[in-house]
Amino acid sequence: KQEVTQIPAALSVPEGENLVLNCSFTDSAIYNLQWFRQDPGKGLTSLLLIQSSQREQTSGRLNASLDKSSGRSTLYIAASQPGDSATYLCARVEGGSEKLVFGKGTKLTVNP
Amino acid sequence: DAGITQSPRHKVTETGTPVTLRCHQTENHRYMYWYRQDPGHGLRLIHYSYGVKDTDKGEVSDGYSVSRSKTEDFLLTLESATSSQTSVYFCAIKTGPDYGYTFGSGTRLTVV
Repeated sequence: KQEVTQIPAALSVPEGENLVLNCSFTDSAIYNLQWFRQDPGKGLTSLLLIQSSQREQTSGRLNASLDKSSGRSTLYIAASQPGDSATYLCARVEGGSEKLVFGKGTKLTVNP
Repeated sequence: DAGITQSPRHKVTETGTPVTLRCHQTENHRYMYWYRQDPGHGLRLIHYSYGVKDTDKGEVSDGYSVSRSKTEDFLLTLESATSSQTSVYFCAIKTGPDYGYTFGSGTRLTVV
């Protein structure tokens, strides 16, 4: 079974800190990888999509990288703000079926 | 989310009753998915569709059926609801290789 693991499960940081969220997957034959944000009681908001031919994507204060050889992706958040507090989910796409396989997420709390 | 709506948003039903959840997209995307989200388990795929009348099972399909008679609608049916099916249900569409996946706002289902 192909799995996606996110460590840590929870992270608490002071405002302004730069931080890295980790995502690892067991199958290096990855298709694409997508990062999402989920606020409590809400749906998923897409943050960044990294296609298998790419190594990283950037959007504002967010940067996501993909290293297929090591089976890892990281989400870097610069100058964190209290509004960044949410659960961050990574998901890999299974080629062919186009299914998303999710990690269980990292719950981020940014303290003012 | 823009282009995808789920109904109802909340539902309470009794054990043993049938329940149908609806996912509607305003665009013409081929792939549609139903996920459930539970504490400790994350997001798990129930069923997905890769075209009209073309569906397949996900990892937690027991007790659920789906139908897709039109491109824009993907229905999830619980034939006889059980308390273990109390969950938040999310519908998703694959919007393209450059945009990844978009999720609906979710349906919170409680089976009493």
